Amino acid sequence: QQPVQSPQAVILREGEDAVINCSSSKALYSVHWYRQKHGEAPVFLMILLKGGEQKGHEKISASFNEKKQQSSLYLTASQLSYSGTYFCGISNSNSGYALNFGKGTSLLVTP
Amino acid sequence: DSGVTQTPKHLITATGQRVTLRCSPRSGDLSVYWYQQSLDQGLQFLIQYYNGEERAKGNILERFSAQQFPDLHSELNLSSLELGDSALYFCASSPEGDSSYNEQFFGPGTRLTVL
Repeated sequence: QQPVQSPQAVILREGEDAVINCSSSKALYSVHWYRQKHGEAPVFLMILLKGGEQKGHEKISASFNEKKQQSSLYLTASQLSYSGTYFCGISNSNSGYALNFGKGTSLLVTP
Repeated sequence: DSGVTQTPKHLITATGQRVTLRCSPRSGDLSVYWYQQSLDQGLQFLIQYYNGEERAKGNILERFSAQQFPDLHSELNLSSLELGDSALYFCASSPEGDSSYNEQFFGPGTRLTVL
């Protein structure tokens, strides 16, 4: 089932912080975060696994709340380059089923 | 550059026609995924192949089919095209078959316009 992302869109000034949430109606096994700039392909940011394991870019921060079936992506001290659409993709099983992506959160960072 | 290539970049065709989209994964990657991206639906997973075999299936229409060849490139075939099939189609690849743990590398996409 498709995860729900919130907010749908956010506008920040450079240097401000933002949090993007991703919620699932089923128990989560893993959450993936990608960023897509306009007209480009999605780019991998991070994977968070049930049990606490993470892999991804060091400058990206995210959390995985198993009980709430939710993940949050933290964007701190935002830069202009952070602008884009952020997608979370979830896996509800460790048996390798494909990811279901949310509809995305559009982030615009202004000078 | 992710190392994943997709051709063609743009495709314009008429309703009722059939088209083939091609994807070459990164060197060494065994899994290929196909996604459809439209404005209001985000990234919709269509199908995954791993080392030539179908691994997972999403909301892929019966008019659509895919395959992965021995050299690991993949093709997505769309037939009896409708206006609603107009979208950006992405291919992604990963080293292994378990999508829950492996990052995916996306190609630049093929923009399909059905007139």
